[in-house]
Amino acid sequence: DVVVTQSPLSLPVTLGQPASISCRSSQTLLNTDGNTYLNWFQQRPGQSPRRLIYKVSNRDSGVPDRFSGSGSGSDFTLKISRVEAEDVGVYYCMQGTHWPPMYTFGQGTKLEIK
Amino acid sequence: QVQLVESGGGVVQPGRSLRLSCAASGFPFSSYGMHWVRQAPGKGLEWLALIWNDGNNKYYSDSVKGRFTISRENSENTLYLHMTSLKAEDTGVYYCSTGGTSWPYTSFDSWGQGTRVTVSS
Repeated sequence: DVVVTQSPLSLPVTLGQPASISCRSSQTLLNTDGNTYLNWFQQRPGQSPRRLIYKVSNRDSGVPDRFSGSGSGSDFTLKISRVEAEDVGVYYCMQGTHWPPMYTFGQGTKLEIK
Repeated sequence: QVQLVESGGGVVQPGRSLRLSCAASGFPFSSYGMHWVRQAPGKGLEWLALIWNDGNNKYYSDSVKGRFTISRENSENTLYLHMTSLKAEDTGVYYCSTGGTSWPYTSFDSWGQGTRVTVSS
């Protein structure tokens, strides 16, 4: 089974400073259909998860442009250009490429304000 | 707008059964694959099950295969998760989420508020 590993697991950031979260998979996430099914989610305290990014780098509607996703193959990154107070929460990457369907989430990265 | 409302959670004894529901609105439910995802207390997200839009194909994580059954009633825009032989480690918040309209149903673009299940004697 594919394993998805996030780092760091804890991320203290000063307001206005950038933040970066890594997501690595044990196998390439490039699907035979040419797509790479790697999503990023945000879960604010006490809330349900919210999708931020789909297929590596596509930002969802309403997501601030300070969030960006990049990467390829088995190495991916979520970047926040300037952290704001509302960004506090846990961030998860998730792969959906492999058969049989096994949608694997990373362990989560807890972002807090320093 | 898309709305997913889970219900049916509660406190249940180990070994017993429970059925969760997810009422969907604001989108063409019968065209969407749907997922169940859970979150144990203080832990991360764990995918549990997928059902295709027509209900003809279902997939499960190893942790629930053989104990949980995903189903849907498209005429009522409702998704279900029937859980049997419940264990303490099944405790958590259960979310339904949209999978999109085509394979491999990786969307997860909408989520419900979750329903809490506690398995305890």
